[in-house]
Amino acid sequence: TQLLEQSPQFLSIQEGENLTVYCNSSSVFSSLQWYRQEPGEGPVLLVTVVTGGEVKKLKRLTFQFGDARKDSSLHITAAQTGDTGLYLCAGWVGSGYALNFGKGTSLLVTP
Amino acid sequence: EAQVTQNPRYLITVTGKKLTVTCSQNMNHEYMSWYRQDPGLGLRQIYYSMNVEVTDKGDVPEGYKVSRKEKRNFPLILESPSPNQTSLYFCASSLALSSYEQYFGPGTRLTVT
Repeated sequence: TQLLEQSPQFLSIQEGENLTVYCNSSSVFSSLQWYRQEPGEGPVLLVTVVTGGEVKKLKRLTFQFGDARKDSSLHITAAQTGDTGLYLCAGWVGSGYALNFGKGTSLLVTP
Repeated sequence: EAQVTQNPRYLITVTGKKLTVTCSQNMNHEYMSWYRQDPGLGLRQIYYSMNVEVTDKGDVPEGYKVSRKEKRNFPLILESPSPNQTSLYFCASSLALSSYEQYFGPGTRLTVT
């Protein structure tokens, strides 16, 4: 069951540009996480958001959790080639035990 | 070094030949899980375990078995592999459920011919 929809699926931009990727659902999530995955490796956690309306910043990355806890966004300012990768959102619904992943946004940043 | 290890990293096998992919973590984590990752379908959870001897099905458990006899190990068993199980498999562990960081292994690329 794909509870989390990510958009866009693919994104190709030049270094220095800003971008936003989205993670949406019709379900309420108790918490939501963003991971980044590079080719040939497992995903690595970037951030966890727990409270509706929460905003977290990680250097040039800004993460927002929607007020209703059904959606989230990731904004990257002044993208760098090192930001290239697959960005995945993941979350738990209520008190469920299974972690649900979106299909991911594949980001390519070119010089 | 805190890590999740998987073996083998690459495996090519034939239909019907039983195989086991091992997963081990050295962080004393209670929660472990297996995922498969396929183009266009993303990461899908196969099985998870909340502690020793406690396992449950994820979204795509058909054709797979798991066991959790020790806290550190969580092997994935394919008793009769089929070509539709060709995929990239990841094991992950975390301290507990919800909000905790999932630590992923490096992945096992399985091809079933």
